[in-house]
Amino acid sequence: DGGITQSPKYLFRKEGQNVTLSCEQNLNHDAMYWYRQDPGQGLRLIYYSQIVNDFQKGDIAEGYSVSREKKESFPLTVTSAQKNPTAFYLCASSIEGTSVFGKNIQYFGAGTRLSVL
Amino acid sequence: GEDVEQSLFLSVREGDSSVINCTYTDSSSTYLYWYKQEPGAGLQLLTYIFSNMDMKQDQRLTVLLNKKDKHLSLRIADTQTGDSAIYFCAESSMSSSNTGKLIFGQGTTLQVKP
Repeated sequence: DGGITQSPKYLFRKEGQNVTLSCEQNLNHDAMYWYRQDPGQGLRLIYYSQIVNDFQKGDIAEGYSVSREKKESFPLTVTSAQKNPTAFYLCASSIEGTSVFGKNIQYFGAGTRLSVL
Repeated sequence: GEDVEQSLFLSVREGDSSVINCTYTDSSSTYLYWYKQEPGAGLQLLTYIFSNMDMKQDQRLTVLLNKKDKHLSLRIADTQTGDSAIYFCAESSMSSSNTGKLIFGQGTTLQVKP
């Protein structure tokens, strides 16, 4: 059963702590993305990776870090430098990160809700 | 810069049609997408349209695109309570084709009353 798995579903962070959100896909997609969702603000891109061992900052990368050591995995670390981490985090993937004609269908995981204790 | 705008809320009665609207600014948009998000869940792709089309129909869903006015709409016929969700409009373009980036609207919450 192909798809994108995010874990955990709920996560709590203590002040000063780094936490890591997991994202795994078995769709054999090259590109993966991390978004942050806040109420009424839509989705904002944190980081993206078009290929293994490469990733780029999105619009709101400060306070976050990622790695892409394997094609199927793209973990996101929320560091202590992120002062307002409470949000819903969504991971997505697409077949390829670039397209001659600009088409890029992204498929999403179920999300991780991060709260601060 | 690129921007996608949606109204935040729409309420309809069960059995009526719903029309969710979206406007965008990027004149090089090539594909426009509609995603649905149910409470506490990820986004599910509903449909997408290529910018050289003006209409696409898929069962109860009709997408209309006015490229001149940069206006996209999603019509849901015979709206059911299970259609209650947040609907996101998104666009990709030739200017973002080397990054794969999608630009999302803020989402429209559709409330369906029995």
